[in-house]
Amino acid sequence: DSGVTQTPKHLITATGQRVTLRCSPRSGDLSVYWYQQSLDQGLQFLIQYYNGEERAKGNILERFSAQQFPDLHSELNLSSLELGDSALYFCASSPTWGSGGKNEQFFGPGTRLTVL
Amino acid sequence: GQSLEQPSEVTAVEGAIVQINCTYQTSGFYGLSWYQQHDGGAPTFLSYNALDGLEETGRFSSFLSRSDSYGYLLLQELQMKDSASYFCAVRDNNAGNMLTFGGGTRLMVKP
Repeated sequence: DSGVTQTPKHLITATGQRVTLRCSPRSGDLSVYWYQQSLDQGLQFLIQYYNGEERAKGNILERFSAQQFPDLHSELNLSSLELGDSALYFCASSPTWGSGGKNEQFFGPGTRLTVL
Repeated sequence: GQSLEQPSEVTAVEGAIVQINCTYQTSGFYGLSWYQQHDGGAPTFLSYNALDGLEETGRFSSFLSRSDSYGYLLLQELQMKDSASYFCAVRDNNAGNMLTFGGGTRLMVKP
């Protein structure tokens, strides 16, 4: 158990809908990362927040958005869902924004999104 | 852009040693990490190399050559529980800590 929690574990929805995925980082971790894992695209970085502010952005679609709240939990919002958005979405956390140390990220159990 | 190449599958027998290679091309480089992921599970951190050389952690070791843009993960005394996917990942941006992952190597350990 990494200490990172994600809800829900599974989500089934229809095309065109909007969903919100939630992540609580490990106690004391200020950075939260979102990754998408699909069969054809592998594990892809979406976005990073550090202490409430956006720190780095990957190939995140405009239909996707995220935020980190004052209590450091984070939400990933996916809208106008398409079949291709079906994937496993992981949240990870780390103590800092990245400099120094082992650069270790702690991953949550993931949310499996199925778009029908 | 960034790209990482690693073999898609490797098979080995219990008790053996296996090496998983990773070559990368990035615009910047701040370290190479290795993660393990069992089917249906979350990636878990194994090791990190920022400088050239070998890092050893128990049965697992990781090597980096920055001049060759190459690294490998060495797994010794293989156990059945080591059957999993192994990902190399680079941190290529000093503005944050985003990781760019390779496609993963599926290791199958046979008795």
